[in-house]
Amino acid sequence: AQKITQTQPGMFVQEKEAVTLDCTYDTSDPSYGLFWYKQPSSGEMIFLIYQGSYDQQNATEGRYSLNFQKARKSANLVISASQLGDSAMYFCAMREGNTGANSKLTFGKGITLSVRP
Amino acid sequence: EPEVTQTPSHQVTQMGQEVILRCVPISNHLYFYWYRQILGQKVEFLVSFYNNEISEKSEIFDDQFSVERPDGSNFTLKIRSTKLEDSAMYFCASGRGSNEQFFGPGTRLTVL
Repeated sequence: AQKITQTQPGMFVQEKEAVTLDCTYDTSDPSYGLFWYKQPSSGEMIFLIYQGSYDQQNATEGRYSLNFQKARKSANLVISASQLGDSAMYFCAMREGNTGANSKLTFGKGITLSVRP
Repeated sequence: EPEVTQTPSHQVTQMGQEVILRCVPISNHLYFYWYRQILGQKVEFLVSFYNNEISEKSEIFDDQFSVERPDGSNFTLKIRSTKLEDSAMYFCASGRGSNEQFFGPGTRLTVL
């Protein structure tokens, strides 16, 4: 089974509107973390937001928030007030276990987001 | 704001040649990683490094690959004898704990 599943085809959103990018995960480890990264066309990987499995609240970072539904094993990224610069590929990733030394990330295939003016 | 840096940004090499990809992690970080992304595919873990030794490696990270932290700042990935299928973007990442990994801008490796 895939550990991280991102199945949405290319997503389109109108500038200034909100958009949700879906991510589901699969793990039997009670301790894990979920990450979202943005990869613009220039190729770099930009860290956006992190959610730990024991965190009580959904993570937020500026215009980014994570809709964490543990029972459903989903960790959807919500981008509010989309901007043209948000057009990029977005990757969801998971770390299993809770030690920094063994924190390899498993990535999903990514979702392309295009923001329309 | 401190960031991970990588050099070179693009490396072209002939098949069978050795390449060294260089990374300077963020200075107070303890955990270091290499990932790669073949064009159009997802990002794959190669190796993690902590306390001057490899803590975990993937099946991709075979005997042709090695990592080193030769001084207090650099973190290198060496590929001894490159193959065509090693062509990819290689990312270095670093973090202070299990809840963060900041990536560098990547080195695009092209093997001819």
